[in-house]
Amino acid sequence: IVLTQSPGTLSLSPGERATLSCRASQRVSSNNLAWYQQKPGQAPRLLIYGAANRATGIPDRFSASGSGTDFALTISRLEPEDSAVYYCQQYGKSPSITFGQGTRLEIK
Amino acid sequence: QVQLVESGGGVVQPGTSLRLSCAASGFTFGDSAMHWVRQAPGKGLEWVAVTSYDGSNYYYGDSVQGRFTVSRDNSRNTVSLEMKRLRPEDTAVYYCAKGPLAIAANSYFDLWGRGTLVTVSS
Repeated sequence: IVLTQSPGTLSLSPGERATLSCRASQRVSSNNLAWYQQKPGQAPRLLIYGAANRATGIPDRFSASGSGTDFALTISRLEPEDSAVYYCQQYGKSPSITFGQGTRLEIK
Repeated sequence: QVQLVESGGGVVQPGTSLRLSCAASGFTFGDSAMHWVRQAPGKGLEWVAVTSYDGSNYYYGDSVQGRFTVSRDNSRNTVSLEMKRLRPEDTAVYYCAKGPLAIAANSYFDLWGRGTLVTVSS
C-alpha cells in the first residue's frame, strides 16, 4: 500500500490550525493507521494509532480522523515546538508496513 | 527507564557484513514484537524487519529479504539485525522499535531507539 501525504510543506503561524493529509492507494484494513512526529536529529515519536487514538502523553491539540483510504492529522493551537516532519504509517496489510513520504510543518 | 539503545553502526564497504544490536530496558521485553526501521539521510522511513515476541516468526521488507536476518535473545533483552551483502543504498540510520503486541507482524511502533548510523561506501 502506497501512502501519499500532502502537502509536502506547510508553513503556519503560532495559534493557527494545521491539517495534514494521508491518502492510501488501497483501503487500510481496520483503520490500522498511525501518525508520527520527527524533529531534526531525533527518532520518530508516536502520536496517533488506530487512525484516531492518541498515544500516551500526547496533548489533545493533536487529533486525527479518517477511514478507508483517506486520513487526516489535525494540530490545533500551533506552538513553535510543533515544527517537525510528520509521517503516516499503515500496518493493516501483514506483514508489509509502509510509511508516507512525510509532511514538513514549519511554524513561523 | 523505558528505552531502546542501538549499537553496532559504522562505515563498511559494499558487499561486506555488519551486525546491529538493540538493548531494551524498562519494559517486559519478552511480551513485545520488535522491529527495525531505517531512514536514509534526508529521506523518509522504511520498515526493515520484525521478529515476534519469541523469535519464532519474522518478516522482512522486500529490499532486504534474503540479505538481512533479525533475531532476539530474551534472556539478554536484546534484538539484533545481521546485515549481509551490504549495498550503498543500505546507508541509513537504523532504528530499533517496539510493537505494542507480542505476535502481530503488522503494528505501529510505540517506542523507538535513537538509532545507529550505517554507511556503506567504498
